[in-house]
Amino acid sequence: QSALTQPPSVSGSPGQSVTISCTGTSSDVGHYNCVSWYQQPPGTAPKLMIYDVTNRPSGVPDRFSGSKSGNTASLTISGLQVEDEADYYCTSYTTANTWVFGGGTKLTVL
Amino acid sequence: EVRLVESGGGLVQPGGSLRLSCVVSGFSFSNYLMHWVRQVPGKGLVWVSRINSDGRTTSYADSVRGRFTISRDNAKNTLYLQMNSLRDEDTAVYYCSRGTFYAMDVWGQGTTVTVSS
Repeated sequence: QSALTQPPSVSGSPGQSVTISCTGTSSDVGHYNCVSWYQQPPGTAPKLMIYDVTNRPSGVPDRFSGSKSGNTASLTISGLQVEDEADYYCTSYTTANTWVFGGGTKLTVL
Repeated sequence: EVRLVESGGGLVQPGGSLRLSCVVSGFSFSNYLMHWVRQVPGKGLVWVSRINSDGRTTSYADSVRGRFTISRDNAKNTLYLQMNSLRDEDTAVYYCSRGTFYAMDVWGQGTTVTVSS
């Protein structure tokens, strides 16, 4: 159950776009379309932003989008806003009937 | 309003036990799979365990299998995590979350477990 691989940090200016990658294996990200993404500002609980690779829950801005290619999933945030600054985590369901998270990515909006 | 409220955290010595609870409201608890996820302060999220809606199927992370037991009481709208043989590395904030479409769509605010002598 190794953690999915995310870049430790990404940054962008307001209005720009950033993409956060999430690399797993053929036993998790590559096997199922069951990748989800979470936003966690400091001191708060995580919030679901994307589920099943590409789907946005009600209330999540369409600036947030997800995709997947092979063993790597991605979260793209377009039109960056200051309030997007937070930690972002991916997770995937696995062939072992478990879930595995990525190590997290700190997004800084410059 | 959908709410998940964890409790039961605290300070426990290595080798000790603790039972966490998560009381839910605002939705039909018996229809949902539930998860426990933990987070060492300043570190990342780690999935711990899940239980299906009727309590018959469970799964665990390797790091807790054999020491932790997840359960639920649908009549009381409550999820549990029994933690035995606790280790220093189990120190974390423990979140309960609701499962939907293989994701976790609602989260509690967490309860803190500290394992230390």
